[in-house]
Amino acid sequence: DAGITQSPRHKVTETGTPVTLRCHQTENHRYMYWYRQDPGHGLRLIHYSYGVKDTDKGEVSDGYSVSRSKTEDFLLTLESATSSQTSVYFCAISLTGDNSPLHFGNGTRLTVT
Amino acid sequence: AQTVTQSQPEMSVQEAETVTLSCTYDTSESDYYLFWYKQPPSRQMILVIRQEAYKQQNATENRFSVNFQKAAKSFSLKISDSQLGDAAMYFCAYLPGGGADGLTFGKGTHLIIQP
Repeated sequence: DAGITQSPRHKVTETGTPVTLRCHQTENHRYMYWYRQDPGHGLRLIHYSYGVKDTDKGEVSDGYSVSRSKTEDFLLTLESATSSQTSVYFCAISLTGDNSPLHFGNGTRLTVT
Repeated sequence: AQTVTQSQPEMSVQEAETVTLSCTYDTSESDYYLFWYKQPPSRQMILVIRQEAYKQQNATENRFSVNFQKAAKSFSLKISDSQLGDAAMYFCAYLPGGGADGLTFGKGTHLIIQP
């Protein structure tokens, strides 16, 4: 267990509403990531962080923002949710950020109606 | 940008038999790492095996082994003595050396184990 907790586990929301997903880690790792998983697409990187207040965009960042004010928490925000953002969202951490495999949380299933 | 291709959306194998899942990747880097992850119906992502590109020896973890062909940019996963618990989605993933910007994943192969 890599000490990663995602919340909520499931969420249903309406189009146009803001949504924030939380990733919490207990092991003080520097690097954190948000991925989305969709059938036929595998996992795609949304945003990542390499330290407090240090974040960067991934492959599918449009419509998402992130914040990291503490080492242990990495928040993903959908400012105005759309149906295309219905997905399973995974948070992951890396021990060192260079050549280390990622350890994943259990995912959040988000449905936008 | 790196790409990872898994050409088999679904594979089926009889219990106790051997199955090979294919993965190819495209990169101009010489230093990188490759991984196979397993995702059972529980949705948990589980690291199966890892290969460093600078190592010629193929990685092995119990019943799981890889065939790493660097020149061909191929990284297949062999599962020996398949068990019912091996049924899952399998994802191939690429990480550039020194890269902190995360893994690039293939689209996955759904492995079915026939009893």
